[in-house]
This record gives sequence, structure tokens and C-alpha cells, in this order.
Amino acid sequence: SQKIEQNSEALNIQEGKTATLTCNYTNYSPAYLQWYRQDPGRGPVFLLLIRENEKEKRKERLKVTFDTTLKQSLFHITASQPADSATYLCALSKTGTASKLTFGTGTRLQVTL
Amino acid sequence: EADIYQTPRYLVIGTGKKITLECSQTMGHDKMYWYQQDPGMELHLIHYSYGVNSTEKGDLSSESTVSRIRTEHFPLTLESARPSHTSQYLCASRQVPEGGYTFGSGTRLTVV
Repeated sequence: SQKIEQNSEALNIQEGKTATLTCNYTNYSPAYLQWYRQDPGRGPVFLLLIRENEKEKRKERLKVTFDTTLKQSLFHITASQPADSATYLCALSKTGTASKLTFGTGTRLQVTL
Repeated sequence: EADIYQTPRYLVIGTGKKITLECSQTMGHDKMYWYQQDPGMELHLIHYSYGVNSTEKGDLSSESTVSRIRTEHFPLTLESARPSHTSQYLCASRQVPEGGYTFGSGTRLTVV
């Protein structure tokens, strides 16, 4: 069956360090992959999109990599700040169903001083 | 700032009541979606629409229904609420085929 896996355990890092979150998927041929941020009790906020033929995408302190051979995406936040503390969701769109996203359960990031 | 609005933000209602969750967007997006999310769990797609008079069921079976009479409005209705419907309901929209979704703040529904 199709599955998107993100670390269920919270990631705790110190301010200023780089946070790296992992998204693994099985039985998918995604057209593209997206990352979202979700704060408690709120809707997700779109951060970055990367296509299947792209290896890396950057936006300010954020970087996403996409390895379709390993079936894995890594999401990096450099120079992390306490304000980056949130749950980060990985989402995939399958080839041929470009409009429908399937989400992972998310990884909670806690950045401490 | 999100241009997609959901009301009410919180709703506590008795079993058997009919409810409508409102979702409106001011961006002129064609594609709209309803997701259901329980605490600590992933979002599950329950309904989507590609435009006016277009509605489809999502991956997760739901007893709710939706309508899309106007581009900007995508309400979700439960004819007879049950405790099993207790959850957070999130509405989203998107314009370009490969663009990110814009989500509303959600409606947290509790059926007692």
C-alpha cells in the first residue's frame, strides 16, 4: 500500500543549528512533493514545492532535496530560530492526479534557546 | 495572510443535528478541497472540486456532502451529526496545477 513516513518523534535542536527533517515514501510515483508548516490548531501553510525532475530547491533559510531513487525528501532549516518551532508536513501528488495531495503525519520541531 | 475563510472556528453540537461548515475564498481559485484531521494525525482528503458544479469524493469515506454553486464558496454539510464526526475540518484551495494549497484556519467540530 502507498505510504508516506515522517519521524513521529519530535526533533529538538538548539537555536542557530540546522534542522533536518525526513520524508520517505513507498509505492508512489509522485509528480511533485510539497512541504508545509502547521501550528497547533491552525491550517497548514505552504512552504516549498519540488518536482520529480528537480534535485534541490531553496527559499531563504529553507532547502528541500528530492531523491526519487531513494524515495526520500529532506527538508532543512538553517540558522533555526524558536519561531521555527512547529509541525512540518510532507505531501505528495501522484502522477496523473496532480490536483490531489496526500499528507504525511508530520514531524514536530522544537527549537530551544 | 490566508484569503480563505472558514466559519465557525469552533462548534459544539448535539447528536442528530444538521450542520454546515462554511468555506469561502477570495482568490478566484478553481480547485477547492476539504480535509479532515484528528489530533496528531495526518490530513485525509474527504471532498474536492475542480470548479462550479464539480464535486468528487476524496480518499477517506465521509458521511458529509459538499456543493459548489459559486467559485468562491464550498460548504460542507452533515445531515445528522454523530460523535464519530468529531474532528478538525480544513478547507483549502489552489489555482495553478502545481501550486501549493492555501488552507483556512479550520473548524474544530465536537459532537456530544
